[in-house]
Amino acid sequence: SQKIEQNSEALNIQEGKTATLTCNYTNYSPAYLQWYRQDPGRGPVFLLLIRENEKEKRKERLKVTFDTTLKQSLFHITASQPADSATYLCAHQEHSASKIIFGSGTRLSIRP
Amino acid sequence: DADVTQTPRNRITKTGKRIMLECSQTKGHDRMYWYRQDPGLGLRLIYYSFDVKDINKGEISDGYSVSRQAQAKFSLSLESAIPNQTALYFCATSDPGQASYNEQFFGPGTRLTVL
Repeated sequence: SQKIEQNSEALNIQEGKTATLTCNYTNYSPAYLQWYRQDPGRGPVFLLLIRENEKEKRKERLKVTFDTTLKQSLFHITASQPADSATYLCAHQEHSASKIIFGSGTRLSIRP
Repeated sequence: DADVTQTPRNRITKTGKRIMLECSQTKGHDRMYWYRQDPGLGLRLIYYSFDVKDINKGEISDGYSVSRQAQAKFSLSLESAIPNQTALYFCATSDPGQASYNEQFFGPGTRLTVL
């Protein structure tokens, strides 16, 4: 069955640096790979997605890349700020009508 | 007002009790979902419903049942709660018809503790 793997170790970086989070999947490539942000005690919030035929997608300080050969998506936050501290989840969607499989998330901490 | 609401927000119960978690949405979405979240395991799908007459089991449906009372309401029941059902439960909605990529809109969650 499809597995979505994210680094379970927390990522701690200095404010102003670029944070890079990794999402790997094991089997078939998704039609869409989504990224969500989750703050403690709250539900996840959708950030952006990348389609299977796209290499890169940007939204303000966020950038997502997708490599179907490596079966991997990278999520970057440039010029990171303490307010970016949260858990980030990636989610695999097989096709437009299918349900979504979530990774376990990576906790990001940005220190001032 | 929040688009997706869940009640209760916190619940402590005892083993063997029947518990119902409720979800309501004002987004007008047809699709609704119940997930549970455990540390290190991420979000796992319990049940989902693509419309009022459609109910589907997810990855971990054993020990749970659901009811889709209306387009806006989707309830999750634990018929006889057990301690390993202690978790954070999220309801979500989506409307892929508009965007095709099935973005999920989550409620605030219900923290359930089974003693």
